[in-house]
Amino acid sequence: AQTVTQSQPEMSVQEAETVTLSCTYDTSESNYYLFWYKQPPSRQMILVIRQEAYKQQNATENRFSVNFQKAAKSFSLKISDSQLGDTAMYFCAFMNQYSGAGSYQLTFGKGTKLSVIP
Amino acid sequence: EAEVAQSPRYKITEKSQAVAFWCDPISGHATLYWYRQILGQGPELLVQFQDESVVDDSQLPKDRFSAERLKGVDSTLKIQPAELGDSAMYLCASSLAGGPGYEQFFGPGTRLTVL
Repeated sequence: AQTVTQSQPEMSVQEAETVTLSCTYDTSESNYYLFWYKQPPSRQMILVIRQEAYKQQNATENRFSVNFQKAAKSFSLKISDSQLGDTAMYFCAFMNQYSGAGSYQLTFGKGTKLSVIP
Repeated sequence: EAEVAQSPRYKITEKSQAVAFWCDPISGHATLYWYRQILGQGPELLVQFQDESVVDDSQLPKDRFSAERLKGVDSTLKIQPAELGDSAMYLCASSLAGGPGYEQFFGPGTRLTVL
């Protein structure tokens, strides 16, 4: 079974600064996907960024980028130029690329609560 | 922009009562997921549907939980009887199809409190 660990329960960052959220995972699979989801207070969870394990190039989406270290099983999220709207819970998640049974569940970490301070 | 709808948003019930949650996925999405999110934890999958068929319900406590998606569109999750430990956020998500290439879109959730 896969496990996802987020070791930082809470973090804070000054507006316009850069912050990095950590995530490690454990799997015996070689092909898989990793995700970062954002859950703002009282709002629905949305996908921030996705990384395919077979791609060496780190994914980027505007101010969001990842540092994917496959050998170390590490997948950190960097948020540049932090904005007040970035305040949210951030969840790291894992999904196998293939599923013989057709089940494609996301395995989530416990989350990191990020507060952006004005 | 199309969104996943869930109702009710909040539900308070007493132990041993029955509760039901409803989810309407984004139109055209064949795959529907129910997750349970306990406070301070990440969501955990309860059941996955592909159209009207259950693909994965291995983590659904079947002695008290049931889920259906009769016409392959909207879905209902039921708990009977509710227990104190069922207090959590119940999230519904949908995607065009199953698999990591298809983004899962989440609804706002139903927050259940069992007294």
